[in-house]
Amino acid sequence: GDSVTQMEGPVTLSEEAFLTINCTYTATGYPSLFWYVQYPGEGLQLLLKATKADDKGSNKGFEATYRKETTSFHLEKGSVQVSDSAVYFCALQTDSWGKLQFGAGTQVVVTP
Amino acid sequence: DGGITQSPKYLFRKEGQNVTLSCEQNLNHDAMYWYRQDPGQGLRLIYYSQIVNDFQKGDIAEGYSVSREKKESFPLTVTSAQKNPTAFYLCASSIIGGRSYNEQFFGPGTRLTVL
Repeated sequence: GDSVTQMEGPVTLSEEAFLTINCTYTATGYPSLFWYVQYPGEGLQLLLKATKADDKGSNKGFEATYRKETTSFHLEKGSVQVSDSAVYFCALQTDSWGKLQFGAGTQVVVTP
Repeated sequence: DGGITQSPKYLFRKEGQNVTLSCEQNLNHDAMYWYRQDPGQGLRLIYYSQIVNDFQKGDIAEGYSVSREKKESFPLTVTSAQKNPTAFYLCASSIIGGRSYNEQFFGPGTRLTVL
């Protein structure tokens, strides 16, 4: 079945450091890929998405490229801020009605 | 403002009691979903509904029940049959069709603790 694998956290960084969170997937067909972010005590918010191979999603300084050849969708940000401290979830969607398959989540902690 | 509301934010119940979690949306979305979140396990789908008066089991439906009497509302009941109900529960909604993907919008969640 479909699955998403993310790097384990927590990832601890200093402010202005470069962030990478690895995400790989297994899926039949051609899934859409997403990164969601969850701030402490809140629900999830869509951060960015890519719906086909080689698409690059971007938002709030975060980027991720849909790599079909390596079945990956790694999240990157060039200079993190304390406000980026959150849990980040990689997810895929193959069903037309919208079922999401989530990775386990990666906690990111940014220190001043 | 359009959005999804879940209430209450924190809920405590004694073991053996059924409890109902509320989820309301004013986004005019057709589809609604319930997820369970446990530490280190991501989100797992409990139930989903694409239309009023119809719903389907997700990956972990045992011990849960839902209803969809109105488009705006999708309450989740955690029954006494659920062996480990303490968790963070998230409700979501989305439109159906018209695009190659369906963005799901999430509520703020309800943290249920069974004592």
